[in-house]
Amino acid sequence: EDQVTQSPEALRLQEGESSSLNCSYTVSGLRGLFWYRQDPGKGPEFLFTLYSAGEEKEKERLKATLTKKESFLHITAPKPEDSATYLCAVQGVRGSTLGRLYFGRGTQLTVWP
Amino acid sequence: DVKVTQSSRYLVKRTGEKVFLECVQDMDHENMFWYRQDPGLGLRLIYFSYDVKMKEKGDIPEGYSVSREKKERFSLILESASTNQTSMYLCASSFRGGASYEQYFGPGTRLTVT
Repeated sequence: EDQVTQSPEALRLQEGESSSLNCSYTVSGLRGLFWYRQDPGKGPEFLFTLYSAGEEKEKERLKATLTKKESFLHITAPKPEDSATYLCAVQGVRGSTLGRLYFGRGTQLTVWP
Repeated sequence: DVKVTQSSRYLVKRTGEKVFLECVQDMDHENMFWYRQDPGLGLRLIYFSYDVKMKEKGDIPEGYSVSREKKERFSLILESASTNQTSMYLCASSFRGGASYEQYFGPGTRLTVT
């Protein structure tokens, strides 16, 4: 079965202190890996899709990278407004025809001033 | 902009009531999904639909049913609400096809069953 494990569960950073979030996955033929941001009480907001090992995507202070076993979400010089839960999800060959994603439990990021 | 809307942000129901949660998307997506999200358990898939009148069970379908009579609308039904169905319910939609497509989520419905 396709599985996603995210670490750490929670991360506290001081403003400006760069770090990375990890997403390890097991999937039967990766079709896509997705990153989402979720603010408290709201639905997840789509950030990136990565399709193959070596691919990178960037948006403001966020950069997502992908290897054959894991993905990293690098946060450079974070600000308090980057505080949120970051979710990772994968789609494998088995789920791809019906669009099913498998989600990790997320990393709760807190950035304090 | 993709828009997924849910009928209520907050809902309070009594045990045993029949509850309807509605979701509408305006992007002509073929796939629609219902999840519930609980602290420490993450997102869990209840049901999904890949076409009108078609449905597939997710990981936790017990106690729920769904209806998709129109492409843009996907309803989640709690046949007889119970307290353990108190949760945040999230609807999502995506394209269906050969490529891998992201899902877009609605704002969520916080359901409390008393």
